[in-house]
Order: sequence, then structure tokens, then C-alpha cells
Amino acid sequence: DTGVSQNPRHKITKRGQNVTFRCDPISEHNRLYWYRQTLGQGPEFLTYFQNEAQLEKSRLLSDRFSAERPKGSFSTLEIQRTEQGDSAMYLCASSSTSGSRTDTQYFGPGTRLTVL
Amino acid sequence: GENVEQHPSTLSVQEGDSAVIKCTYSDSASNYFPWYKQELGKRPQLIIDIRSNVGEKKDQRIAVTLNKTAKHFSLHITETQPEDSAVYFCAAGRLNAGGTSYGKLTFGQGTILTVHP
Repeated sequence: DTGVSQNPRHKITKRGQNVTFRCDPISEHNRLYWYRQTLGQGPEFLTYFQNEAQLEKSRLLSDRFSAERPKGSFSTLEIQRTEQGDSAMYLCASSSTSGSRTDTQYFGPGTRLTVL
Repeated sequence: GENVEQHPSTLSVQEGDSAVIKCTYSDSASNYFPWYKQELGKRPQLIIDIRSNVGEKKDQRIAVTLNKTAKHFSLHITETQPEDSAVYFCAAGRLNAGGTSYGKLTFGQGTILTVHP
């Protein structure tokens, strides 16, 4: 499968615990995005990277959230001291700034987080 | 920042009928408008997109229209089939002169489309 992959697919944690999600983009894509989707809503932008540089962060991304893309390939999203309001689907997407479809973001299957 | 409103929130049609979903956006600088289809438990998938230099784009049974002046765009599905049943999201973004995205997409709230056989 050459699409965007995310791990784990599901995560259940207790309030106050830290969690980390991983996203592997399509191999030739240099841009990587994180979105959060709650039930009945569209995806909300959190942050994005071009190669290893984090170019934009949403105000939704509190100081408990941190994202990295150290080598410009996979990315991790960490949530510290989780709260029940963090329960959501976390979607990753990737795109390329070269080639024929520089505007298309391809999404991964998401990681569903449940905070008890 | 950009705000995208999508209507209706649910849409029920009979197989073979047409379905229309409408979105409005607030940021006049937005110039890229993709539509995604998300089936239950699956990832969002791009079905069609339009850039602001055209007013309409068609791909088989799917078409999108854009009115820049009014800042609204619509998805039209003709001859609907049960497999069209899904949640549809519109989104707005910005492309630079070279056609590369500036980054984030702002999504609408989604429309649950149900096509009855």
C-alpha cells in the first residue's frame, strides 16, 4: 500500500496520560498535515510541515500538543496530559509541491483517540 | 481566518435523482476548492476540485460550480447510485501563482448523503 498510513488506528487512554501518533506520508510527498475530526464535523487543521520545517500551527494546537517531522519523512503528534476533550479522530495528509497534483492532499485512515 | 459553511447537513434522494450540496466561504483570497467523500470508517478521498480561474468543472456524474463574486460553490451529482451514499465535505484553500498550495484546507461541516434504491 503506497498511501498515507497512520499508527495506531485506535488508542484508548486515561485522562492525564501522554499519547503519541505516527504518520507515514506517501513516499515522494514533501508536505505533511495534521487535522483533527470530531463526530459530525469536518476536519480541522492543526499543523503542517514542508520537509522537516513546521510552517504553520493552528491556534487549536495548545501547548499540550507537539508535532515533529525530524527527517522530513514520517511525523509524530504527541498530546501530553490528555483531556476528555481531546477525544477525536486525528487525520494525517500529505501532498507534493512538485509534479502534476501539487494541490491535492491525500489522507490517511486516521487514529481514533478515546480519553476516558 | 477562513470560514466555510456547508448545506444541507443531511440529504436523502432516490436512486437516479440528482443531489446538490452548497458551500459558502468567507476569505476572498481562497482560490482552491476541493470536495472530499468520506465513507463510514474510511479516510476522506478527493472526488473533484476547482480553482478560481474556472467557473465549472465536470467529471462524469460529478460537477462543481464556483461563483467567486458570491463566494459560493456547489457539488452536483447526477444519476445518483446507492454507492454514492457517504459524507461529503467541501473545503477552501489557497494556491500560489505556481499552483502550489499554501497549506491548510478549511473544511465545511459535511453533508450526509443517503441514496435510496
